[in-house]
Order: sequence, then structure tokens, then C-alpha cells
Amino acid sequence: GDSVTQMEGPVTLSEEAFLTINCTYTATGYPSLFWYVQYPGEGLQLLLKATKADDKGSNKGFEATYRKETTSFHLEKGSVQVSDSAVYFCALFFGGGADGLTFGKGTHLIIQP
Amino acid sequence: NAGVTQTPKFQVLKTGQSMTLQCAQDMNHEYMSWYRQDPGMGLRLIHYSVGAGITDQGEVPNGYNVSRSTTEDFPLRLLSAAPSQTSVYFCASSRPRTGVGTEQFFGPGTRLTVL
Repeated sequence: GDSVTQMEGPVTLSEEAFLTINCTYTATGYPSLFWYVQYPGEGLQLLLKATKADDKGSNKGFEATYRKETTSFHLEKGSVQVSDSAVYFCALFFGGGADGLTFGKGTHLIIQP
Repeated sequence: NAGVTQTPKFQVLKTGQSMTLQCAQDMNHEYMSWYRQDPGMGLRLIHYSVGAGITDQGEVPNGYNVSRSTTEDFPLRLLSAAPSQTSVYFCASSRPRTGVGTEQFFGPGTRLTVL
């Protein structure tokens, strides 16, 4: 079946460091890809998305590019802030079906001042 | 718009008790779903609905029932709670019911503990 694999956490960085969170997927077909963020005590919020190969999603300084050849959707940010501390989930979705999102296990990001 | 709302925020049950987790959305979304979030497991789909009167099972449906009598509401029922159902439960909705790149909106979650 479909699956999403993302790097295990927690990931601890200093403020202003460069961030990469790896995400790879296994799926038959070409899903849409998403990054969701969960701040402490809250539900999930959509961070960015890409719907086809070579698309780049971006939001709040975060970016991710849909790479079909490597089945990857790595999340990057050039300079992280303490307020970026959260859990980040990579997910895939096939728009033509009715099933929900398939999530990775989540990566806990901790930014130290 | 309130978005997706869930009640209660916290609940403690004893094994064998029943309860209903409430979920409502005011965005006229056709698609609604329930996920559970467990440490190290990410979110897993329990049940979903593509419209009023239509529901289907997700990845982990055992022990849970759902119904969808209105577009707005999608309650999740635990008929006989078990400790394995201790988890955080999230409700989500989206419109249109299917579509490439459709964003799902999540509620704030219900933290359930079964003793």
C-alpha cells in the first residue's frame, strides 16, 4: 500500500540554522503531496503542498519540491526561528479516491535560541 | 467561520464505557474524516464520509462507529472503550469531496484516556 517515510526526530537546531526534513513516499500513481505542521496543543495546519512533479510548494519561508524521480518531498527552510518549533508531518493524497491522507510518523523540530 | 470544532477536548473513560466524540464544521464541506494520533505512528484514518448518509472504513475502523445524518456533523462512537483506544482523535473536513491538492482542515483534537 501507499506509505510515507520521514526522518525520525527530535531534530534540534539553533536559531537561524538551515533546516531539512526528509520525506520519501511509496505509491502507485502520482499523488498530491503535503506538509502539515502541528504546534503544541493544536490540530494540524497545512503548511504547503504540491500536486505534480517538479512543483514547488512554499509558505512562511518553508519550501518543498515534488521530485518524482526520487519519490521525495523534502522540507527546507533557510533560517529557522524558535517559533518554528513544532511537529511536521509529510502526507500524500490521491484526489481521485475517497480515502484520506496517508501520513508519515511526524518529525519533532526543536529550535533553541 | 468557526472551522472544524471538536468536543470534548479531554475525556477519561473506564474500560467498557461508551461515548461519542463530536465533530462539526461550518464550511459546507462534503468530505469529513476521523484520524487517531499515537506516538511514533503518525495519524491513521479511522472512518470517513463523502457526504450525508455515506460513510466508509479507513485503516483502523475496529471499535468505532460513525454516522453522517447532516453535512455539518460527523460523530465518532466508541461502543465499548478499551485501553488500546487511548489516543488523540482529530476530525478533518475538505471540499470538494475529492480533488487533486484538496486541503483538509483539522479540528483541535480530543485527547482520550481509557483506564
